[in-house]
Amino acid sequence: SQQGEEDPQALSIQEGENATMNCSYKTSINNLQWYRQNSGRGLVHLILIRSNEREKHSGRLRVTLDTSKKSSSLLITASRAADTASYFCATDEGGNQFYFGTGTSLTVIP
Amino acid sequence: GAGVSQTPSNKVTEKGKYVELRCDPISGHTALYWYRQSLGQGPEFLIYFQGTGAADDSGLPNDRFFAVRPEGSVSTLKIQRTERGDSAVYLCASSPSRANTEAFFGQGTRLTVV
Repeated sequence: SQQGEEDPQALSIQEGENATMNCSYKTSINNLQWYRQNSGRGLVHLILIRSNEREKHSGRLRVTLDTSKKSSSLLITASRAADTASYFCATDEGGNQFYFGTGTSLTVIP
Repeated sequence: GAGVSQTPSNKVTEKGKYVELRCDPISGHTALYWYRQSLGQGPEFLIYFQGTGAADDSGLPNDRFFAVRPEGSVSTLKIQRTERGDSAVYLCASSPSRANTEAFFGQGTRLTVV
């Protein structure tokens, strides 16, 4: 079953603008990962943030984690048409699986 | 190979048939996962292997689904008596170990049962 929930479900922006996606979850976690998926196929790992971290950067990506609010956000700066994809958060609660949300569909208009 | 490899990319089968989906994880990764993703949904857990053993198969929907990893590397997901509701993208992922590490996914196998 889905444990995480991304918000918004869909987002459309102009190239060059920033895109922010949010993820909320329900239980304590060890870490949270963000993935990108193009055309409903393979998931590309973007970034992992551990429960004792509050912010992490990777190129144009910035991820924050607020464990008190059980939420995370993914910021993509200076977006490009190639960033068009679905973005998923996945939580690791220390069990044997990752829990994915339903994703945010991002469209970047050239 | 450099990444997780899944074959075939696409599989169309008739209702009632048996199918096998293959996953080649990243070399040296001991943890292997199978997920299933339906249209418009996030991936849902099926089974997790640590080495050769299925450490957690709680996500398998019923006894028509079975998976093996006999040598601790390649894994095969087997579906018997396929039903139209089994149509989905089946994703495999591997990670270096279970503890707090990234999981790397393959491109998936799109299964269509007609």
